[in-house]
Amino acid sequence: QSVLTQPPSVSGAPGQRVTISCTGSTSNIGAHYDVHWYQQLPGTAPKLLIYGNTNRPAGVPDRFSGSKSGTSASLAITGLQAEDEATYYCQSYDSSLSGSVFGGGTKLTVL
Amino acid sequence: EVQLVESGGNLVQPGGSLRLSCAGSGIRLSSYWMSWVRQAPGKGLEWVASIKQDGSEKYYVDSVKGRFTISRDNAKNSLNLQMNSLRVDDTAVYYCATQYGSATYYVLWGQGTLVTVSS
Repeated sequence: QSVLTQPPSVSGAPGQRVTISCTGSTSNIGAHYDVHWYQQLPGTAPKLLIYGNTNRPAGVPDRFSGSKSGTSASLAITGLQAEDEATYYCQSYDSSLSGSVFGGGTKLTVL
Repeated sequence: EVQLVESGGNLVQPGGSLRLSCAGSGIRLSSYWMSWVRQAPGKGLEWVASIKQDGSEKYYVDSVKGRFTISRDNAKNSLNLQMNSLRVDDTAVYYCATQYGSATYYVLWGQGTLVTVSS
C-alpha cells in the first residue's frame, strides 16, 4: 500500500490527452511539499519528468505538464504518442516518515 | 557522460549481508544529497535511505532501520549501502540517485543493481 495513491492504469489513443492523479495527505502533498513525476520505460531506470509540481527538466516535451491542489496532484499528457507508453510515478516528501514517498505507479497504454 | 553506476548486487541467503556501491562519473557527488531507492520485481518504487552531502544526516525507511547503513566517501566520489540481516522481501533492484535536498526530487539515477535474497 503506497502512501501516495495513483490509478493502476490509464489508456488513450494517439493524439489524445490523458491525466494521471496522485492523492496524498496532510503530512505530504497537503503539507506543501512539492510533487515530482517520473517516467519509467520497461527495463530502465526512472527518469525525472516534472519537478516542483509544474516544472519540466530540459529535454522533456511540453506535452507533459503537472499541477497540484490541496492534497492531490496531476500529470497531464497531451498529443499522446506511442513512445509515451510507460509507467509513471509521483513522488513527494512525508514529514511523519522523514523521507520520500512514491505513488504505486500508473501504467499508460497507448491504444 | 554524466552517470551513476551501481555495483555489488548478488544472490544472497536470508540473514546474509551485502554491500552496494554507487560511483559517480562526470559528476561530483559531494555536491548532492544521495539516496537509495529500490524496486521489487514487478512493483513500484520505494525510498530506502538518504545521506547529506557531508554525511552528517542519514535517514532510513522504517523497514530497514537497524539493518542497513548508508555511507559515502566523497574523496572516492562514491556512495555505499551496507545491508545486513537481509530478508526475502529486500529482493529488488537498488538504484542510487542524487537530490538537491532531502525533501526534493531525484535528479540523476543509476541503472540499478539487482539484489536477490533467497535460500
